[in-house]
Amino acid sequence: NAGVTQTPKFQVLKTGQSMTLQCAQDMNHNSMYWYRQDPGMGLRLIYYSASEGTTDKGEVPNGYNVSRLNKREFSLRLESAAPSQTSVYFCASSLGANDQTQYFGPGTRLLVL
Amino acid sequence: GIQVEQSPPDLILQEGANSTLRCNFSDSVNNLQWFHQNPWGQLINLFYIPSGTKQNGRLSATTVATERYSLLYISSSQTTDSGVYFCAVERRSNDYKLSFGAGTTVTVRA
Repeated sequence: NAGVTQTPKFQVLKTGQSMTLQCAQDMNHNSMYWYRQDPGMGLRLIYYSASEGTTDKGEVPNGYNVSRLNKREFSLRLESAAPSQTSVYFCASSLGANDQTQYFGPGTRLLVL
Repeated sequence: GIQVEQSPPDLILQEGANSTLRCNFSDSVNNLQWFHQNPWGQLINLFYIPSGTKQNGRLSATTVATERYSLLYISSSQTTDSGVYFCAVERRSNDYKLSFGAGTTVTVRA
């Protein structure tokens, strides 16, 4: 099992460009999450999907959109990138209500110039 | 929102030493997890421990939910234990939203 995979690993964007970060899990988990991590800080939740077909805002959703494409895949889209979105983005998944242990992907390092 | 405070912010250990990391939280929680972020950035779940005590090898954790704190114990530390340790909690409302502390950076020297 690959666990949680993310693409790309690294990306450089210019201000105003758009891009989609991809996340997939092969653990048959119901819930998926997107976080950002800024230097010297813990992770902050951007959006999550408690189950296939549902998405909800987290702590810092502004400037982002998400799509739960199917049970395996959860994408994060930046419509118009800003330098403040320079960060490391992590995707995570968990089984769901009965087991909320979260498993993380390797992260995507994003630089917005 | 719920406040999560971790202490100490930094910890330097000699290989073989024991240590205790602390996590205080400001409200009742439904979910508490400890994570280790290695120097390459990978986040690994160590414990899911909303209450009670668990052990996994040289690591153990205790959460006293009524007093709103959790402790992570590292025994006989090794250089591979270096990295940042995060505590994350979810309020009792069971809304799937984990709030992370700022972490404790542990450096284990050979």
